[in-house]
Amino acid sequence: GQQLNQSPQSMFIQEGEDVSMNCTSSSIFNTWLWYKQDPGEGPVLLIALYKAGELTSNGRLTAQFGITRKDSFLNISASIPSDVGIYFCAGPLVQGAQKLVFGQGTRLTINP
Amino acid sequence: NAGVTQTPKFRVLKTGQSMTLLCAQDMNHEYMYWYRQDPGMGLRLIHYSVGEGTTAKGEVPDGYNVSRLKKQNFLLGLESAAPSQTSVYFCASSYYARGTRGYTFGSGTRLTVV
Repeated sequence: GQQLNQSPQSMFIQEGEDVSMNCTSSSIFNTWLWYKQDPGEGPVLLIALYKAGELTSNGRLTAQFGITRKDSFLNISASIPSDVGIYFCAGPLVQGAQKLVFGQGTRLTINP
Repeated sequence: NAGVTQTPKFRVLKTGQSMTLLCAQDMNHEYMYWYRQDPGMGLRLIHYSVGEGTTAKGEVPDGYNVSRLKKQNFLLGLESAAPSQTSVYFCASSYYARGTRGYTFGSGTRLTVV
């Protein structure tokens, strides 16, 4: 089945640093979604991408839909302690459907 | 507006016991989902429903059953719990839309089977 591979699996950074993570697939996706999960909570949608090449920002977060439609990237600028958590990419199992497949997640830890 | 509410939040079961996890949403969403989250494996779809009275299998359905008797509720049942079902379970819902939209997740149920 379709799988999403996220890297890195974990990151340990200093407060104030920029963060980059990516998500790749062997299949083409027409939608990419990025979620964040705070400890003890469910994932929350950060950014949705619907078009190849699209670059979308949400505050200090910027995500891009790869040109090949097989990858997506998430960047966080000037990290702060509340950025700690697990970041997931997700995409639809079937084009236009609401059934999503998720990557394994990137766990972000920030040293103050 | 509570969104998606899961009960219970924590539960410990003995092997072979049964239990039901309840998910309730107040957003009038058509679609509902049950996922499990295990370390290093992300979220995997167990079962889902595209409307009241309908259910379908996801990626890892074995050992679970579901029911959606009312649009706002989606129940996940474990008939005979096994240690391999120790996990964090998340319910989510979404609305019908042209193109893919994100889910609203509950805060999870942490289940330990001993």
